[in-house]
Amino acid sequence: DAGITQSPRHKVTETGTPVTLRCHQTENHRYMYWYRQDPGHGLRLIHYSYGVKDTDKGEVSDGYSVSRSKTEDFLLTLESATSSQTSVYFCAIGTDSSTDTQYFGPGTRLTVL
Amino acid sequence: TQLLEQSPQFLSIQEGENLTVYCNSSSVFSSLQWYRQEPGEGPVLLVTVVTGGEVKKLKRLTFQFGDARKDSSLHITAAQTGDTGLYLCAGGRSGNTPLVFGKGTRLSVIA
Repeated sequence: DAGITQSPRHKVTETGTPVTLRCHQTENHRYMYWYRQDPGHGLRLIHYSYGVKDTDKGEVSDGYSVSRSKTEDFLLTLESATSSQTSVYFCAIGTDSSTDTQYFGPGTRLTVL
Repeated sequence: TQLLEQSPQFLSIQEGENLTVYCNSSSVFSSLQWYRQEPGEGPVLLVTVVTGGEVKKLKRLTFQFGDARKDSSLHITAAQTGDTGLYLCAGGRSGNTPLVFGKGTRLSVIA
């Protein structure tokens, strides 16, 4: 158990509403990541953070924003949810961006109607 | 552009058979990791290889990193139903650049 929790675990929402997903770690790791996983696309990086208030975009960042005000929490916000953002979202943590283990959370299944 | 290509995409075999899955790229990576993901869960790390030509064994699983650090393979001997899952490879690069993931090989081992 790598000490990562995600909340909520499941969410159904309507198009146009804002949604915030939370990732919480107890390991004090520097790096945190948000991915989405969809059939045929694999894991795709949305945003990542390499420290408090230090974030950067991944390959599919459009329509998403993130914040990291504390080491332990990394928030992913969908400003105005669309049906194309229906997916399973995974948070991951790591001590090194390029070579170290990434520990993944249990995932959040988001459905946008 | 998919930096890491995994093959095959799907594989269904009988229990006791051997299998190999591949992870290929035209890019050089500083490290290569393999993860296994079961339904409804997040990926779990199996191994990290960092040296060209490196071979690591984890019980019935053998991992190899190519000499040029552009490709890797995962060989499973005498597959068991518990090996069923999605196998993902991920390549590491220098600096703050995050891991690059392949799309995965979905393995089904039938009793």
